[in-house]
Amino acid sequence: GAGVSQSPSNKVTEKGKDVELRCDPISGHTALYWYRQSLGQGLEFLIYFQGNSAPDKSGLPSDRFSAERTGGSVSTLTIQRTQQEDSAVYLCASSPRGQDSNQPQHFGDGTRLSIL
Amino acid sequence: KNQVEQSPQSLIILEGKNCTLQCNYTVSPFSNLRWYKQDTGRGPVSLTIMTFSENTKSNGRYTATLDADTKQSSLHITASQLSDSASYICVVSAPYSSASKIIFGSGTRLSIRP
Repeated sequence: GAGVSQSPSNKVTEKGKDVELRCDPISGHTALYWYRQSLGQGLEFLIYFQGNSAPDKSGLPSDRFSAERTGGSVSTLTIQRTQQEDSAVYLCASSPRGQDSNQPQHFGDGTRLSIL
Repeated sequence: KNQVEQSPQSLIILEGKNCTLQCNYTVSPFSNLRWYKQDTGRGPVSLTIMTFSENTKSNGRYTATLDADTKQSSLHITASQLSDSASYICVVSAPYSSASKIIFGSGTRLSIRP
């Protein structure tokens, strides 16, 4: 497939458990973004990876959230000790170059996370 | 303070009619303004991208306009189709800044009725 792939598409877990969300960006895209979208809300920036630079983690809401990007490709967003307020759709996007370029971000269809 | 405001929040129109969605922003200076379409349960898809020097950009039946002086943008949809039912999101980026300065509006939910 040529698009951004996210897995799982849906995740239901109990409060207090850890979850891992995966993102496969478009091949060759150097920039990768994670966003959170709560019901009826705009997208909330979480973290940004650009090439080999240190990631911009300024959007992570707490230290329970972390993300890695291995080999400049696949990324994993980890939420530890999940809380009910973590319930949302987590969207990943990639773009050919960094966010200052006038290139569109290509989004995956997201992971819908529900914390019971 | 929300830096990107979209209106209306929701809109219902009949198939075949035209409509215009509004986006007002306070981000300054800004690098580009984008409109995305987001179908229910899917990720956003890019419709148009405009830099500060552009004042109109078309993509099929979608035409975006930008007035950098008044900090307003609009998305005009011509001859609407049922498949246009979606949320439309306005996104504004500031230049040479962190990715956290990409500001998303809350979107306009458009419903097309047959």
